[in-house]
Amino acid sequence: EAQVTQNPRYLITVTGKKLTVTCSQNMNHEYMSWYRQDPGLGLRQIYYSMNVEVTDKGDVPEGYKVSRKEKRNFPLILESPSPNQTSLYFCASSLQQGEQYFGPGTRLTVT
Amino acid sequence: SQQGEEDPQALSIQEGENATMNCSYKTSINNLQWYRQNSGRGLVHLILIRSNEREKHSGRLRVTLDTSKKSSSLLITASRAADTASYFCATVHSGSARQLTFGSGTQLTVLP
Repeated sequence: EAQVTQNPRYLITVTGKKLTVTCSQNMNHEYMSWYRQDPGLGLRQIYYSMNVEVTDKGDVPEGYKVSRKEKRNFPLILESPSPNQTSLYFCASSLQQGEQYFGPGTRLTVT
Repeated sequence: SQQGEEDPQALSIQEGENATMNCSYKTSINNLQWYRQNSGRGLVHLILIRSNEREKHSGRLRVTLDTSKKSSSLLITASRAADTASYFCATVHSGSARQLTFGSGTQLTVLP
């Protein structure tokens, strides 16, 4: 089954404790992206990757890191999480400029 | 920055009625896409319309695109309670590698 998986689905952590949210897709898509969703703000892009070893900043990259060592994986790293990074995070993948396939989301709370 | 802006922000209708949502954007696009999101879940792609297309249908969905007005509309005909969800438009900018830029969405409630 074609899908995008994210782990964990829910995470509560404390300020400053490094965390990684994993994302994996099995559709051989070149393009992958991370979004955060906050009430009233829609989805905002954090980082995206056009292919392996190619990543670039989206609209709200501050406080986040990504890597793309393999085509199927695109982890999101928060080196020192802060409460303003409490949000619902989505990973997505697609062929270039086509429909995006979204993961189920990761609800992160930083206290 | 938000490229697509949906209108209205919220819409409540009776089952069986048609629902129309609008989306405006600011820059030239390659294509425009509509997505649906059930509460707290991942987005699901509904339909993609390219910049050289004016109208597209998929089941009970009809999407129009007016590039001169930089606007699009999504029509859901004969709505059902199961259509209750948030609907987002997203644009792919011309000449940009940054892919989709989403609007803030329309919350549709279909009352049984």
